Amino acid sequence: QKEVEQNSGPLSVPEGAIASLNCTYSDRGSQSFFWYRQYSGKSPELIMFIYSNGDKEDGRFTAQLNKASQYVSLLIRDSQPSDSATYLCAVRGGYNFGNEKLTFGTGTRLTIIP
Amino acid sequence: ETGVTQTPRHLVMGMTNKKSLKCEQHLGHNAMYWYKQSAKKPLELMFVYSLEERVENNSVPSRFSPECPNSSHLFLHLHTLQPEDSALYLCASSQDYPLTGTSYEQYFGPGTRLTVT
Repeated sequence: QKEVEQNSGPLSVPEGAIASLNCTYSDRGSQSFFWYRQYSGKSPELIMFIYSNGDKEDGRFTAQLNKASQYVSLLIRDSQPSDSATYLCAVRGGYNFGNEKLTFGTGTRLTIIP
Repeated sequence: ETGVTQTPRHLVMGMTNKKSLKCEQHLGHNAMYWYKQSAKKPLELMFVYSLEERVENNSVPSRFSPECPNSSHLFLHLHTLQPEDSALYLCASSQDYPLTGTSYEQYFGPGTRLTVT
């Protein structure tokens, strides 16, 4: 079983619509959750992180966390062509003294259609 | 320079060569990481340094050798690589809080695209 699972896509969304990206994880002890955006040929860029159950909003982005269901999602409102990228979900496991390990999913490729 | 920088950005090397990748972070962080990213696979953690001490080595082959001389610099020394080692190598940094055993978000450098011929 994969530790962090994402639908690889591609996910196609019309410009201006809401893009919904989903991620599930297997480690119930996971503490924090991150969404990275990666443009083709570029390195991952942190766009959101969430530590507590519920929603966290930052501009057009909303991260949603449900630890009971081991599920984290990213919503992108008013999608723009510049949002077309691969979105990586990363999960930090239980506390390891002096060390943090992020486990990444394979990413979901999002395409915004003008 | 800001953020996390990596050099070189592209590297082509033969299987008998020896080369080094360099990473430098300008964020005041105390933990640094090497990741490998291959096509269609998740990011793979290779090495973690926290407070300049290596704390994790995910069973990486010995042909990869890390070095962390201080909290701002990280190297990955390469020798006798195989074609399957061709990938994007990413460096990241974060701020560790050893007393609580936590650290926060990781920031990535632009990566080195490595091709082994």
